[in-house]
Amino acid sequence: AQTVTQSQPEMSVQEAETVTLSCTYDTSESNYYLFWYKQPPSRQMILVIRQEAYKQQNATENRFSVNFQKAAKSFSLKISDSQLGDTAMYFCAFTYNDMRFGAGTRLTVKP
Amino acid sequence: DTEVTQTPKHLVMGMTNKKSLKCEQHMGHRAMYWYKQKAKKPPELMFVYSYEKLSINESVPSRFSPECPNSSLLNLHLHALQPEDSALYLCASSQAPQREGRETQYFGPGTRLLVL
Repeated sequence: AQTVTQSQPEMSVQEAETVTLSCTYDTSESNYYLFWYKQPPSRQMILVIRQEAYKQQNATENRFSVNFQKAAKSFSLKISDSQLGDTAMYFCAFTYNDMRFGAGTRLTVKP
Repeated sequence: DTEVTQTPKHLVMGMTNKKSLKCEQHMGHRAMYWYKQKAKKPPELMFVYSYEKLSINESVPSRFSPECPNSSLLNLHLHALQPEDSALYLCASSQAPQREGRETQYFGPGTRLLVL
């Protein structure tokens, strides 16, 4: 069974600084997809970034980028130039047959 | 447009009531999902519909009954719920079911359910 682990329940960062959220996963599959979702207090789950396991190049979306280490089964999210609107719960997710989520990291961006 | 809509936003019901949650998407997606999310926890998968057929039922109690009337609509019928069923219910859709390379799921805003 696939498992996803987020070891940082809570993090905080000053506005305009950079923060990295960690995620590790366990699977025996070779072709799969990884995601980071953001869930603000408004509760809607918003896709932040997606990575295909067969691609070696790390995905980037504006201020968001990932460090995908397939051999280490690690998938961290870097947020650059943090903004107050980045305050949210961040979930790492793995999908093969179905989507499995990590426990989440609550990120607070401080002014 | 990656919009999934859900109604109602909030629902309060008694343990003897029957109610339904609705989810709609007009992106041409062929897979739709129901998740249950308790406070400060990740979403837990309940049901998956692939091409309008139920493909995954994660051992959900029969007091939850899903229905997919067509490729754009997904309902969750609720009957004789318990207080512990109070949660945020999220609907999601993806272009295709898993393992077809189009797995990105897009979520609706959720229905906050309170069972008294």
